[in-house]
Amino acid sequence: DVVMTQSPDSLAVSLGERATINCKSSQNLFYSSNNRNYLAWYQQKPGQPPKLLIYWASVRGSGVPDRFSGSGSGTDFTLTISSLQAEDVAVYYCQQYYTTYSFGQGTRLEI
Amino acid sequence: QVQLQESGPGQVKPSQTLSLTCSVSGDSITSGHYYWNWVRQPAGKRLEWVGRLDTRGTINYNPSLNNRVTMSADTSKNQFSLRLSSVTAADTAVYYCARGEVVSHVFDIWGQGTVVSVSP
Repeated sequence: DVVMTQSPDSLAVSLGERATINCKSSQNLFYSSNNRNYLAWYQQKPGQPPKLLIYWASVRGSGVPDRFSGSGSGTDFTLTISSLQAEDVAVYYCQQYYTTYSFGQGTRLEI
Repeated sequence: QVQLQESGPGQVKPSQTLSLTCSVSGDSITSGHYYWNWVRQPAGKRLEWVGRLDTRGTINYNPSLNNRVTMSADTSKNQFSLRLSSVTAADTAVYYCARGEVVSHVFDIWGQGTVVSVSP
């Protein structure tokens, strides 16, 4: 099983400031044959299903604001929100899809 | 606009079988571009993938569920279903159905989720 571990578990950031969430995989998620990292990020607000933010580690999903960006390769990945907005308060999950699917434990982002 | 909607009993007794259905509108489950998934989330815990299918015969389950999972599709109704046998309190969760892209593998459309409680 591929274990995904996020840090920190919770994070408080002021409006307009940068938020950074880390995700570490127990195995390499980079597939050399297509030069892609099999890593996605989701945002989940209370009472709602998760929403896709980032896939292939750094590609923004449809309609996702450009303040959200993803980076990293192999086993270490980062989600960055460049200028926090009030509507970004949520729990964020990383997900690997290299071997079926598994998710991190989530990071709660607060203001 | 593609929408997914879960339905089924909100409560199941221990040792019985949980049965849920996901109704899809705005897309055909036979389109061939997607997998159709179940994901669950116990209260306060991480998301857990349960299984996926496509209508060409591919079905994959999470091995951690110890062969208790069965998924099927009803193409005439544009629905797919989940059955989880021998349930325990550990199976209490919000159950989501989600569309997964075959190329990118990510879950781009989710249902709102349905709460299933396993209790006597």
